[in-house]
Amino acid sequence: DTGVSQDPRHKITKRGQNVTFRCDPISEHNRLYWYRQTLGQGPEFLTYFQNEAQLEKSRLLSDRFSAERPKGSFSTLEIQRTEQGDSAMYLCASSLDQDATNEKLFFGSGTQLSVL
Amino acid sequence: QQQVKQSPQSLIVQKGGISIINCAYENTAFDYFPWYQQFPGKGPALLIAIRPDVSEKKEGRFTISFNKSAKQFSLHIMDSQPGDSATYFCAASREMIWGLGTSLAVNP
Repeated sequence: DTGVSQDPRHKITKRGQNVTFRCDPISEHNRLYWYRQTLGQGPEFLTYFQNEAQLEKSRLLSDRFSAERPKGSFSTLEIQRTEQGDSAMYLCASSLDQDATNEKLFFGSGTQLSVL
Repeated sequence: QQQVKQSPQSLIVQKGGISIINCAYENTAFDYFPWYQQFPGKGPALLIAIRPDVSEKKEGRFTISFNKSAKQFSLHIMDSQPGDSATYFCAASREMIWGLGTSLAVNP
């Protein structure tokens, strides 16, 4: 068990470019979450999957953001036409949905995005 | 609209002291209240969590106290150590609502 891994760790891009991040959850975990975190703030929920189904998506999530989990394993988060306000740490977490009221999330170390 | 209010924003404690961080929530439908610890450059890690049918939960040096009528819960770190220096977040409702965090510094 190597934990949740995210790639890349850092991404610098120019405004207007598209970026894609990858998350590999813990292998037996069926739930996968994406969060965004800016300096001095708590994580902000973006979306989550149960297996390959995207069950919830934050109302704050712009149409420029899309996430997929095609085979219920790894997930990708794509941001199109990046803006400077997209600069943040993007965190992925996974969990095993055994007991919904005692769910433990395991987080990756995140992808730090800087939009110039 | 922030639905979980966390205080204080920062906290300095002497080694061996008790660190106390408080959170207040608004939505009575919330049924799960975890605390996470985050070190710089790392993702958050679950410390301890509680359900509203329990008033207190203790795991090692970490204790959650829960007051359902006041819609408040707090984290107590006993015998605080320099290694506890980190940012602490409370959360609610299966980690979809987070507080703004408390930066804890434990002086040796």
